[in-house]
This record gives sequence, structure tokens and C-alpha cells, in this order.
Amino acid sequence: AQRVTQPEKLLSVFKGAPVELKCNYSYSGSPELFWYVQYSRQRLQLLLRHISRESIKGFTADLNKGETSFHLKKPFAQEEDSAMYYCALRGYSGAGSYQLTFGKGTKLSVIP
Amino acid sequence: NAGVTQTPKFRVLKTGQSMTLLCAQDMNHEYMYWYRQDPGMGLRLIHYSVGEGTTAKGEVPDGYNVSRLKKQNFLLGLESAAPSQTSVYFCASSYSRRQNTGELFFGEGSRLTVL
Repeated sequence: AQRVTQPEKLLSVFKGAPVELKCNYSYSGSPELFWYVQYSRQRLQLLLRHISRESIKGFTADLNKGETSFHLKKPFAQEEDSAMYYCALRGYSGAGSYQLTFGKGTKLSVIP
Repeated sequence: NAGVTQTPKFRVLKTGQSMTLLCAQDMNHEYMYWYRQDPGMGLRLIHYSVGEGTTAKGEVPDGYNVSRLKKQNFLLGLESAAPSQTSVYFCASSYSRRQNTGELFFGEGSRLTVL
């Protein structure tokens, strides 16, 4: 079974402060991890994936297999970062198919 | 390209009524999914399809049925709506495993209220 845990429902930070959104996972195989973001009144969209090792909108996330974590970080929060963030894991679900399992989400609020 | 389109966007039902949510995608994706989003619960997979004519159960399939008669469409049906099915429903699609970067493309959501 695969599971994604985001321990914080709500995270409030001041503009310019560092941000860290926590994500831990449980999966027996080799994980593929993603961060999705949902801005107000917009559809859910991919922010970044661990395999790309990219930085999007100043956000980065490193896969730590030892700690089974994939925390999302940004050194200086901006007001436009306020959104709902979901960590997701893609795992094998049998019969040759894969499923994306989402965490419960963390609402980030950046205070001006 | 419209991407993933869901209809209707809003609907209010009475307990026991039935309805169908339609999802259409124009990206020639093999895989399609239906999720529900509830406060504090995140997104939970209801049903999914890996190709035309095939469907499979997700995490919370009870009370729902689906059909994938055409590759571009994925229908979610509620035969007898219950208040517990009040939620925001999201459809998503993606490429098959070989081409799949893992990215799901989502619709705008359909808000369903069951009284």
C-alpha cells in the first residue's frame, strides 16, 4: 500500500520568510514523487516532480529515501505563493497500471 | 486545446436522485481518473480508466459507477445520491505509462451538493 502524509493542514508565514511544506511517504518500491498546487479559483496543476530535480517559481524539493520525505522548500515566500499544496506519490497498482496517491494537502498562507 | 472539461460545474441534488458527471479530454490521453476533494481529506481516487472500455476501482468507489465508452470521455454516475457524496469532483487525464511523466491534467471541478 502507498501512503502520503502531510502533517500540516495550514501553514502561515510572513512574506520574505522561508517556507517548508512537509511530506512523508510510505511505499515499498521505488517512489515517484510530485508536488501539485491549487491556486484560488484555478485548477490543480503540477508544480514539480522529483525526477526532474528542477526549481519552479523558486520552489525545490529533494527526495530523501532514508527519511522517506519529499519536503517542498522556498527561501523567500511571496504573497502569490498562497495556495493549497498537495504532495503525491505514483505507485504501481497492479495489472500494469499506476495510480497517483495524494496527501491531504497543506494550505499555505503568506502574510503581507 | 480545451484540455480537460467537466460538466456540469455545479449541481444540487436531493437524496436519492441520480446524475451523471461528464469529463471530456482532447489530448488523446489513455488514462482518465475521477477524484473527490473534501476538506481535510485531500483528493481521493474514486475510479479510473487505463483505456477505452476499461475501468477500475480506486480508493472510494462505493456509490459511484463509471463508463469509458469513448477514449475522450469518462462518465461518473451517482445512481442514488446521498448527503455523504456532497463534494467537489475532479476529473483528470494522463498519458499511458510509457509516455507518462507522471503529470495529471485536471479539470476545473464540479461542485455537487446533495440535500
